[in-house]
Amino acid sequence: GEDVEQSLFLSVREGDSSVINCTYTDSSSTYLYWYKQEPGAGLQLLTYIFSNMDMKQDQRLTVLLNKKDKHLSLRIADTQTGDSAIYFCAETPYYGGSQGNLIFGKGTKLSVKP
Amino acid sequence: KAGVTQTPRYLIKTRGQQVTLSCSPISGHRSVSWYQQTPGQGLQFLFEYFSETQRNKGNFPGRFSGRQFSNSRSEMNVSTLELGDSALYLCASSDIQGNNEQFFGPGTRLTVL
Repeated sequence: GEDVEQSLFLSVREGDSSVINCTYTDSSSTYLYWYKQEPGAGLQLLTYIFSNMDMKQDQRLTVLLNKKDKHLSLRIADTQTGDSAIYFCAETPYYGGSQGNLIFGKGTKLSVKP
Repeated sequence: KAGVTQTPRYLIKTRGQQVTLSCSPISGHRSVSWYQQTPGQGLQFLFEYFSETQRNKGNFPGRFSGRQFSNSRSEMNVSTLELGDSALYLCASSDIQGNNEQFFGPGTRLTVL
């Protein structure tokens, strides 16, 4: 079945880089996403990558995709205290010609220490 | 453009009652999906509606139902509430083109006592 795995916690110092990792099982996934959730809020889409890409960069965010190993990572450069949040990896399997629902990992809680 | 709105933001109910939650998608978006978020199970897909039709359904009991109106607004209903239904219910809208970007609302926090 489909499954997305993430480590639960990550702690970094302000100014360092953060790397959040994710593995997924469904090889039919066409898009993979990173969402951010702050306390008491909904989910904010940070970035996504199409499955035929290896890397995508968007300002401080870099997404790396290793399709062979089904491994996705999100690197946040120059991490700030405002980046403290829970980060969710998600995939959308491809069902018979249409995009499916989002399948989420359990989320990685990023704590940024000043 | 205004974002996805959900009402109410907070709700307290007792076991056995029923509840209706509402979601207004981003203008022009015709797909609305619902997700349940709990500390134990994480984010789980409930169902998706497009043009007033349910296109996809997650693995939830029949007590959970939904509908979509002609203006794309959606409601979900939970009947015979159980303690385990306490959760954050998130709605997401999408224009279903290309990358299936889903934009989430702030959620409705449901507490069942």
